[in-house]
Amino acid sequence: QKEVEQNSGPLSVPEGAIASLNCTYSDRGSQSFFWYRQYSGKSPELIMSIYSNGDKEDGRFTAQLNKASQYVSLLIRDSQPSDSATYLCAVFTRNRDDKIIFGKGTRLHILP
Amino acid sequence: ETGVTQSPTHLIKTRGQQVTLRCSSQSGHNTVSWYQQALGQGPQFIFQYYREEENGRGNFPPRFSGLQFPNYSSELNVNALELDDSALYLCASSLGVTGELFFGEGSRLTVL
Repeated sequence: QKEVEQNSGPLSVPEGAIASLNCTYSDRGSQSFFWYRQYSGKSPELIMSIYSNGDKEDGRFTAQLNKASQYVSLLIRDSQPSDSATYLCAVFTRNRDDKIIFGKGTRLHILP
Repeated sequence: ETGVTQSPTHLIKTRGQQVTLRCSSQSGHNTVSWYQQALGQGPQFIFQYYREEENGRGNFPPRFSGLQFPNYSSELNVNALELDDSALYLCASSLGVTGELFFGEGSRLTVL
C-alpha cells in the first residue's frame, strides 16, 4: 500500500462549481496534513494545513480531516480557471525519523 | 524577505558523474529538506536537515548525501549518477521541523 494516495485525475469541474479532492494515508501515527498547489512548470506552494479532525476553512478553500478513516480532503468553492493546477496532499509523520510524504497529486482542470 | 533560492536551475550530466546542487533557505528558516520530482509524480522525500543535522531520510541510496551549513543553506550531492536520477530536485525550507514548506524553483537535472 502506498503511503499517501490520490486519484491522479484529471478532474474536470465547471467554473463556479465545487471541486473536491481526496487523499488517503497509511500511517496512523501521522500528525499533520497539508495541501500544496503546483502549477505546470512551477514548484509547489502551500495552500492549506490541518492538524486536527474536522474542517478548516480559508477563503474559498476548506480542508477536512478524518484520522479514524485516514482521509484528508480539499474543497474549492466557486472554482476559477486560475485554480487549474495539480494539487498535492502531504502527510507529516514524526517518529524516530521525521518525514514528509507527498502523494502523486491530482490534476484539476476548471472548465470556463 | 528573501525566498528559497536554488542553483543551478538546469544542468546536464553523464552517467557515472557526480553533481552538487545548492539551496539557500528563506530568511529565518533553520530546516531544509530535499525532494526529487519525476515528471508526472509527486515530490519524493530525500532527506531533511535541522540545525546542520540530518533528522529524516527517505528511501534513497547512500550515494545521495547532503550537508547543511551554519547559515542554514544546504547542498545535495549525488554520486555515480544513473539515468533514473533525471528529475527536478526541489529544496524547501521551514521554520523548525514541520510540513509547512517553502519551495525553491528547483534544479532540473538531466543524466545522459
